[in-house]
Amino acid sequence: AAGVIQSPRHLIKEKRETATLKCYPIPRHDTVYWYQQGPGQDPQFLISFYEKMQSDKGSIPDRFSAQQFSDYHSELNMSSLELGDSALYFCASSLTQGSPLHFGNGTRLTVT
Amino acid sequence: SQQGEEDPQALSIQEGENATMNCSYKTSINNLQWYRQNSGRGLVHLILIRSNEREKHSGRLRVTLDTSKKSSSLLITASRAADTASYFCATVKGNQGGKLIFGQGTELSVKP
Repeated sequence: AAGVIQSPRHLIKEKRETATLKCYPIPRHDTVYWYQQGPGQDPQFLISFYEKMQSDKGSIPDRFSAQQFSDYHSELNMSSLELGDSALYFCASSLTQGSPLHFGNGTRLTVT
Repeated sequence: SQQGEEDPQALSIQEGENATMNCSYKTSINNLQWYRQNSGRGLVHLILIRSNEREKHSGRLRVTLDTSKKSSSLLITASRAADTASYFCATVKGNQGGKLIFGQGTELSVKP
């Protein structure tokens, strides 16, 4: 069965650079979520989209933005990167709001 | 954590033993879900229990929910070395668009 696809798997950037993370949700899933997970931490909700419209916003810095495109893929754009942005970034999708989330394998971002 | 506490933070047992993990949360919920995460990988949904349910089973997993105490427990029976992973509970609020708020997780180690 198709799963959530994230790219790239690993990304190394320098401080103040920009990064773009991509997510391809499971077909026919109507909601996409982005989470950030620091080392040894629980996943922190960043932002979600329902039918390509932003539906909820969590602890996402103003330097980050995201969107969902007409083909339902989503991108997380991160600018002016800081060392503290180093983390695993997960995208997840769900069939309907409130149903279980299906997570991708994440993008490991390292900021040096 | 955005949501609450899990205990224990780490648990080490022998194969064949049972493992119990507890989770507390802070707000009213629509449902509570348990996820498993192998190191550096995406989270995998294990089981969902709705706010009007008290107990649910799935294979070797048993989940209980006590909404009066805002707590849940996950029991894994007859554990196997392959159960070694981090386990997170996550809650969904009724009007929050389905986003999951995670607890801090329990790191389970099952020794062969």
